[in-house]
Amino acid sequence: NAGVMQNPRHLVRRRGQEARLRCSPMKGHSHVYWYRQLPEEGLKFMVYLQKENIIDESGMPKERFSAEFPKEGPSILRIQQVVRGDSAAYFCASSPWRTGEGELFFGEGSRLTVL
Amino acid sequence: AQTVTQSQPEMSVQEAETVTLSCTYDTSESDYYLFWYKQPPSRQMILVIRQEAYKQQNATENRFSVNFQKAAKSFSLKISDSQLGDAAMYFCAYSTQGGSEKLVFGKGTKLTVNP
Repeated sequence: NAGVMQNPRHLVRRRGQEARLRCSPMKGHSHVYWYRQLPEEGLKFMVYLQKENIIDESGMPKERFSAEFPKEGPSILRIQQVVRGDSAAYFCASSPWRTGEGELFFGEGSRLTVL
Repeated sequence: AQTVTQSQPEMSVQEAETVTLSCTYDTSESDYYLFWYKQPPSRQMILVIRQEAYKQQNATENRFSVNFQKAAKSFSLKISDSQLGDAAMYFCAYSTQGGSEKLVFGKGTKLTVNP
């Protein structure tokens, strides 16, 4: 049973370009979470999605960031017009249902570097 | 807002010895979950141990155990018989019971295991 798959593992963008990060949850998981980890920091919640729905985007910056989890295909975190401050590791996690028990299965992360 | 504090940026331990990692948190909730996650150099976060706040008994998982002091809002992780493979970043995290799996993470403690 494959784990949470994220790609690309490393992405380099110049300021002003767009970054797209993809996440395929574990088989049977319909809940996806995106977290961002800045250098020397813990993970910060960004957004929680179910298939075709954004449930909680309270941690997502209001501008330039968007996320989707379509009926078919992976979840996408999209960052438009990237700036140097967007350089971070972006982690996706999934769970089979909303248990309220907090156990998430994480991917290996996508490291974004903005030049 | 809930916060999680890990006051030890780095810790080291000799192989086969015991080490304790500290974590404190702040919340006004009475029911919640606490977690320790391990992030090895490969960067995939792995759940080490979980504690439900309503349970008085401290959780244990093989060589890993916690000291949960609810009144003090303290949640330390003890690793016994440390092994080289335990070297990693350790993150303490909090989740409200019954809510989404929106974890609040501390900044982490880097554990080094010396042979």
